[in-house]
Amino acid sequence: SAVISQKPSRDICQRGTSLTIQCQVDSQVTMMFWYRQQPGQSLTLIATANQGSEATYESGFVIDKFPISRPNLTFSTLTVSNMSPEDSSIYLCSVKPSGIYNEQFFGPGTRLTVL
Amino acid sequence: QKEVEQNSGPLSVPEGAIASLNCTYSDRGSQSFFWYRQYSGKSPELIMFIYSNGDKEDGRFTAQLNKASQYVSLLIRDSQPSDSATYLCAVNGERSQGNLIFGKGTKLSVKP
Repeated sequence: SAVISQKPSRDICQRGTSLTIQCQVDSQVTMMFWYRQQPGQSLTLIATANQGSEATYESGFVIDKFPISRPNLTFSTLTVSNMSPEDSSIYLCSVKPSGIYNEQFFGPGTRLTVL
Repeated sequence: QKEVEQNSGPLSVPEGAIASLNCTYSDRGSQSFFWYRQYSGKSPELIMFIYSNGDKEDGRFTAQLNKASQYVSLLIRDSQPSDSATYLCAVNGERSQGNLIFGKGTKLSVKP
């Protein structure tokens, strides 16, 4: 499986500010996704990061709040904008390597606390 | 709204026993099914996937799929304390690109 890294691993931010999370993969991958895991909850898909085009957002998530970039097949960023305490979560990127199956592999996550 | 349901647990089993984790899903069109293990404070780790009805074995793990009943399970034989974690069931979502819908997870505790 691919080796995935995320930066930062954790951060504590003030409300109203923005944080950009980076996801780097050691090989080219077809698909990259961003998930959120709120405390004690399961994973919820935020969006699919599309290389060379705008991300595809799930219901309840909008580009103004969670802008995403994917400049190439190994890198993506997620920005959490104008943060509030409700944004305190773990943010995870995942990748689906090329192929016919749907296995996804997760990065180590970014633990965000908003005060 | 497609759903994946799991018993949240905790499920407690003695060391050496078989742990049985269950999952049901609502979308009959689902084709890919995954089990992830998540240790506290860590990200999910893929441990099994299954696409066809029946059983799939990998070491101490067996995934079972019954599409008619919309049911997928994970059996862990010879459970070890190191298996103590939350197990997440995931099902492929609407798009062919493969986004996943996760259950809330079952917390497993293996007692020495």
